[in-house]
Amino acid sequence: NAGVMQNPRHLVRRRGQEARLRCSPMKGHSHVYWYRQLPEEGLKFMVYLQKENIIDESGMPKERFSAEFPKEGPSILRIQQVVRGDSAAYFCASSTFSRPQHFGDGTRLSIL
Amino acid sequence: QKEVEQNSGPLSVPEGAIASLNCTYSDRVSQSFFWYRQYSGKSPELIMSIYSNGDKEDGRFTAQLNKASQYVSLLIRDSQPSDSATYLCAVNVEEGGSEKLVFGKGTKLTVNP
Repeated sequence: NAGVMQNPRHLVRRRGQEARLRCSPMKGHSHVYWYRQLPEEGLKFMVYLQKENIIDESGMPKERFSAEFPKEGPSILRIQQVVRGDSAAYFCASSTFSRPQHFGDGTRLSIL
Repeated sequence: QKEVEQNSGPLSVPEGAIASLNCTYSDRVSQSFFWYRQYSGKSPELIMSIYSNGDKEDGRFTAQLNKASQYVSLLIRDSQPSDSATYLCAVNVEEGGSEKLVFGKGTKLTVNP
C-alpha cells in the first residue's frame, strides 16, 4: 500500500494521559499536514511539516499540542494531558509542493 | 481569515439526476481548488482538482471555476446511490512560505434509488 499510513486507527485515552498519533507519508512525498475534524465540524488545518522542519503551526492549539517529522521515521502528533474536547478525528495528508494532498485513514481519538 | 463557504444542504437527488454542489471562497490569490468526497466515518478522498477558469471533466464529474467570482462548483451527472456522501470544497492557501487547505463545512448529498 503506497498510500498515507496512519496509526493507530482508534485511540482511547483517559483525561490527563498523552496521545501519540503517527503518520507515514506516501512514497515520494516530503510534505506532511495534520488536520482535525471535530464531530459535525469541517476539517481544520493544524500544522504543516517537512523533514525536520515545522513550516506552519498556525492551526495548533498553543498548549499541549506538538508535532514533529524527524529525518527518519513517521511524523508524530503529540497531545499531552488530553481533555474531553480533544476527542476528534485527526487526519494526516501528504503531498509534494503545490500538488494535491492525499489523506490517510485518520486516527479517531476518544477521551474517557 | 480565509474562508470557504458551501451550501449546507443536505441535498437530495433521485438516481440518474444531476447533482450540483457550490462553493465560494474569500482568498483572491488562491490558484488551486479541490473537491474531496467523504463517506461517513471515512477519510476525505480527492475526486477533482482545478486550477484554471472554466470546466474540467473527469467521467461523471465536472468541476467549474470562476476566479473573478471566487466560485467553484462540482456537477455529478447520472448520480448513483454510491455517490451519497459529504462533498468537501477545499482551497489551497499559500502565504508566508506555507500552504494549507482551507475546507468548507461540506455538503451532504443523498442519491435516492
